[in-house]
Amino acid sequence: DAGVTQSPTHLIKTRGQQVTLRCSPKSGHDTVSWYQQALGQGPQFIFQYYEEEERQRGNFPDRFSGHQFPNYSSELNVNALLLGDSALYLCASSLLVVDLEAFFGQGTRLTVV
Amino acid sequence: DAKTTQPPSMDCAEGRAANLPCNHSTISGNEYVYWYRQIHSQGPQYIIHGLKNNETNEMASLIITEDRKSSTLILPHATLRDTAVYYCIVGYSGGGADGLTFGKGTHLIIQP
Repeated sequence: DAGVTQSPTHLIKTRGQQVTLRCSPKSGHDTVSWYQQALGQGPQFIFQYYEEEERQRGNFPDRFSGHQFPNYSSELNVNALLLGDSALYLCASSLLVVDLEAFFGQGTRLTVV
Repeated sequence: DAKTTQPPSMDCAEGRAANLPCNHSTISGNEYVYWYRQIHSQGPQYIIHGLKNNETNEMASLIITEDRKSSTLILPHATLRDTAVYYCIVGYSGGGADGLTFGKGTHLIIQP
């Protein structure tokens, strides 16, 4: 059983560009959450998707948007990239009923230059 | 803001029990205590959670004080592979929380 898979693993973008990160949840899970982890910090919650809707959102600007597909996979989009967006982006999947018992992917390392 | 307080770092000898403390004095009645760990360059890994009773699984034990204001994660026989940052998190499960609120965690270093 594959766990949570994220793609790509590494990405370099230029300031002002847009980026899309992808996540496939663990089999059987219906909820996907995204986190941003800056170097030396704990992960910070961006948002959570369930039934293709954004349910919860952390303190992130509208430049950060997402989508969940009928097969429960998800995308994170970031527009107008800033240097400060450089971070490890983590996807976590779970069942909504126990959403804090989550399985994390290995993350996508985004570098903005 | 994180609602937990943990020591920034701890050392433990290989083969000994590692006891990681966490203070959560403002925990609400329906909030659970969750523990995750993050090994370098990997995503966080769920370890265990509990409400008010002590819990044990194949990875660890969780001891929660009777007043629920603090807890201890116990790794019974630490190995070098247990070197990681350990996060103590409190929150409501079932879709009511704004995700997991990670603090700075405890960097546990297992010494050979």
